[in-house]
Amino acid sequence: DIQMTQSPSSLSASLGDSVTITCRASQSISTSLHWYQQKPGKAPNLLIYTSSSLQPGIPSRFSGSGSGIDFTLTISTVQPEDIATYFCQQSFSTPITFGQGTRLEIK
Amino acid sequence: VQLVESGGGLVQPGGSLRLSCSASGFAVGANYMNWVRQAPGKGLQWVSVTYNDGTTYYADSVKGRFTISRDSFKNTLYLQMTRLRAEDTAVYYCARDPNTYDYQGAYDIWGQGTMVAVSS
Repeated sequence: DIQMTQSPSSLSASLGDSVTITCRASQSISTSLHWYQQKPGKAPNLLIYTSSSLQPGIPSRFSGSGSGIDFTLTISTVQPEDIATYFCQQSFSTPITFGQGTRLEIK
Repeated sequence: VQLVESGGGLVQPGGSLRLSCSASGFAVGANYMNWVRQAPGKGLQWVSVTYNDGTTYYADSVKGRFTISRDSFKNTLYLQMTRLRAEDTAVYYCARDPNTYDYQGAYDIWGQGTMVAVSS
C-alpha cells in the first residue's frame, strides 16, 4: 500500500497569510494526487486534482504542485472560510489512500 | 448533480446493514463509484470501488464482509455490510470518480454521508 504523509498535522495562520501543506507519498505516484477540504460535519470537497488543476468553482487562492513523491497545497491569502481540515489522496494504485489530514485554524 | 446516502443506523456486532447511494444528474453505471468512510474524529479511509465494467476492489479491512454493487435502472450504488465490527463505526460517504484522463481518480462529487454505529 502507498502511504501518504501530510505535514503539518495542524497549523494556525492569520487572515491574509500564505500557508503551505505538504504531502509525501511512500513511492512515486506521478501526478495522481488530489486535495480535499472538509469542514466540520460536512463531506470532503475537491479542491485540486492531478496535483495542480483547480476544480471549477474553487477560489484561485488555492493552488497545488508537485509530482512523483512530494506535493504541496498552498493557500495564498487565508480567508475565514478556509477554516477546515485538508486531506491529500493518491489514486495511483489501489488501495486508494489518504493523508491523515491537516487542520487549519485562524489565529 | 448529487449523491444522497441512506441506510445507516445502529447495529449490533456481527450484524448486517445495507447502505444506498442515490445519484441524480448522472449515471452511476458510467462512472467509477466509491465508498469512503470516516471514523469519529479520524481521517478518511477508502472502502471500495466499482468500475463501469463491473470490476470491484475492496480495502483489506472489509474484504469478504462488504459487497459493493449498483443498480443502473434505479441509478443507485449499494454497500452490503455483513459481520460488522465495532471498528466499522464511521460516517460512510459515496463518491464519484468521473473516470476521465484529467481527473485521474479524483472524487468530484460526494454524498452527505450516513452514520453507521456498531455497538451492543
